[in-house]
Amino acid sequence: QVQLVQSGAEVKKPGASVKVSCKASGYTFTGYYMHWVRQAPGQGLEWMGRINPNSGGTNYAQKFQGRVTMTRDTSISTAYMELSRLRSDDTAVYYCAREGIAVAEGKDYWGQGTLVTVSS
Amino acid sequence: SYELTQPPSVSVSPGQTARITCSGDALPKQYAYWYQQKPGQAPVLVIYKDSERPSGIPERFSGSSSGTTVTLTISGVQAEDEADYYCQSADSSGTYQGVFGGGTKLTVL
Repeated sequence: QVQLVQSGAEVKKPGASVKVSCKASGYTFTGYYMHWVRQAPGQGLEWMGRINPNSGGTNYAQKFQGRVTMTRDTSISTAYMELSRLRSDDTAVYYCAREGIAVAEGKDYWGQGTLVTVSS
Repeated sequence: SYELTQPPSVSVSPGQTARITCSGDALPKQYAYWYQQKPGQAPVLVIYKDSERPSGIPERFSGSSSGTTVTLTISGVQAEDEADYYCQSADSSGTYQGVFGGGTKLTVL
């Protein structure tokens, strides 16, 4: 069965970086984009970007350009999202979600979410 | 930046029909997707490509599109449908830029 398992909660100080992992199983990792979406406490969903695990190509939301880096390791079917220069308003739950590359039928599987808390 | 606009809240009684709208200039050119999110849970895809329903999603969920507005319709609303609903699409210009609407809280009275 398809599973996306994310790394555990993180607490970071302002100005630091955080790297969240998303390990995929149960499907062909290179056949699906991996999107990253975040949700601040009590707020809505925010798209951060996506990576094509086959090519490594990325698209980032303009808001995060220069601060976010998405990578992948196909040997272990894992995607990563690193966010740098953290601020308090980066406190959020970060989700990974897959979407087909050849056929875009929506983000049909999501990770469980990773809470990142930024506090001094 | 590109925006999708949803009403903040919709309320209906059990058994009634709920309609949640989402407006955006690029919607005539880009598909819309709908996600349901209950408290403390990850979102769940309920509609893709404007009107397609994933397997396992009840038939009471349907989607439609007209011009710059897409609509999620829940017929015969049940108490378990109370949740936040988000539309999602993409900008139609240049490099892919995904976007979510602000979300709509569906309350079942």
